[in-house]
Amino acid sequence: AQSVTQLDSQVPVFEEAPVELRCNYSSSVSVYLFWYVQYPNQGLQLLLKYLSGSTLVESINGFEAEFNKSQTSFHLRKPSVHISDTAEYFCAVEAYGSGNTGKLIFGQGTTLQVKP
Amino acid sequence: ETGVTQSPTHLIKTRGQQVTLRCSSQSGHNTVSWYQQALGQGPQFIFQYYREEENGRGNFPPRFSGLQFPNYSSELNVNALELDDSALYLCASSLPGTSGSHEQFFGPGTRLTVL
Repeated sequence: AQSVTQLDSQVPVFEEAPVELRCNYSSSVSVYLFWYVQYPNQGLQLLLKYLSGSTLVESINGFEAEFNKSQTSFHLRKPSVHISDTAEYFCAVEAYGSGNTGKLIFGQGTTLQVKP
Repeated sequence: ETGVTQSPTHLIKTRGQQVTLRCSSQSGHNTVSWYQQALGQGPQFIFQYYREEENGRGNFPPRFSGLQFPNYSSELNVNALELDDSALYLCASSLPGTSGSHEQFFGPGTRLTVL
């Protein structure tokens, strides 16, 4: 079985400051890792994913996350946040195996509040 | 190319009633997954349908059931509604086996309130 822990329920930060949203996971098998973002009254949008290869993955809007297998972590970072980044962020894992495709295990979510 | 759509947007029911939620998958996607997101929580996997067959189920009782149709749209049915069933129900579609196939495309959700 897999589980995901997001270590901060809320992260307040000022505009243009750096931010890190922490995610740790537990799994007895190898997993794929994802970050999703949810804006108010909307569904989830994929922000970035780690499937294989380079452990540092980037999104088109400046976020990046690094897969650390030894620490079972997949923390999300951005060097300079904008007001528009205010949203709920979810870390998720999917166990290896074609039969597991699409069966995501999510963390509790972290609310990123960007202040002017 | 249309995205994932869900209906209705909001729904209010009373305990003991039954409800049907609907999802139209993104064009060409043959796999639909349903999630329950309680207030302040992360989504929880309910079940998945692949080519009209159930393909895995999370820790939800049998009163949660589903269907997938030949056009890959899907329904989630919940019988004997309980107060704790109040949540945002999310549908996600995907096309396993293609490049980047691990991406799920989520709909906006149906907000169910059980009184």
